Amino acid sequence: AQSVAQPEDQVNVAEGNPLTVKCTYSVSGNPYLFWYVQYPNRGLQFLLKYITGDNLVKGSYGFEAEFNKSQTSFHLKKPSALVSDSALYFCAVRGTSGSARQLTFGSGTQLTVLP
Amino acid sequence: DGGITQSPKYLFRKEGQNVTLSCEQNLNHDAMYWYRQDPGQGLRLIYYSQIVNDFQKGDIAEGYSVSREKKESFPLTVTSAQKNPTAFYLCASSIGFKGLSGANVLTFGAGSRLTVL
Repeated sequence: AQSVAQPEDQVNVAEGNPLTVKCTYSVSGNPYLFWYVQYPNRGLQFLLKYITGDNLVKGSYGFEAEFNKSQTSFHLKKPSALVSDSALYFCAVRGTSGSARQLTFGSGTQLTVLP
Repeated sequence: DGGITQSPKYLFRKEGQNVTLSCEQNLNHDAMYWYRQDPGQGLRLIYYSQIVNDFQKGDIAEGYSVSREKKESFPLTVTSAQKNPTAFYLCASSIGFKGLSGANVLTFGAGSRLTVL
């Protein structure tokens, strides 16, 4: 069975500092990996995805993520955090041989950027 | 603007009542999904539909029902058989479902928060 782990329920970072939100996964075969962001009482918004190719993926709002196959990780990063980045972040995975029905979400990481 | 509209945003239900959550999309997406979100948990798939007049159970379908009579619409009914219905419900859609098209992102609605009194 596939799974996603977001080991930190909460991440706090000062504005202007770099931020990292961690994600590790387990899936049969090669993965499709996604990051979504959720603001309070809203739906999820897509940030970025890894399908194939370059291990460093750049996405919306200055976010990027690095796919590391050997460590089965897909950590989300941003060089300089903004207060407006404060939100709930979800990592998701599915195998390339599967379907969207098999998309598995992590439990989410609450990011708080302190002014 | 294209997107997904969910209504109502907030809904209160008495025990024993059925309620229906609306989901409409104008993105011309084939696939639609219903997820349930509870605090501290990831999203859990309730039902999904790959095409009109077809839908399949997800991981937690018990106590829920859906229909897909039109491409644009995928309403979810929370029945009285659902033992713990208080949650945030999210509708989503995607261009495709399998293969690389299935790697297309999900577009989400703003959600409906259901509270059982």
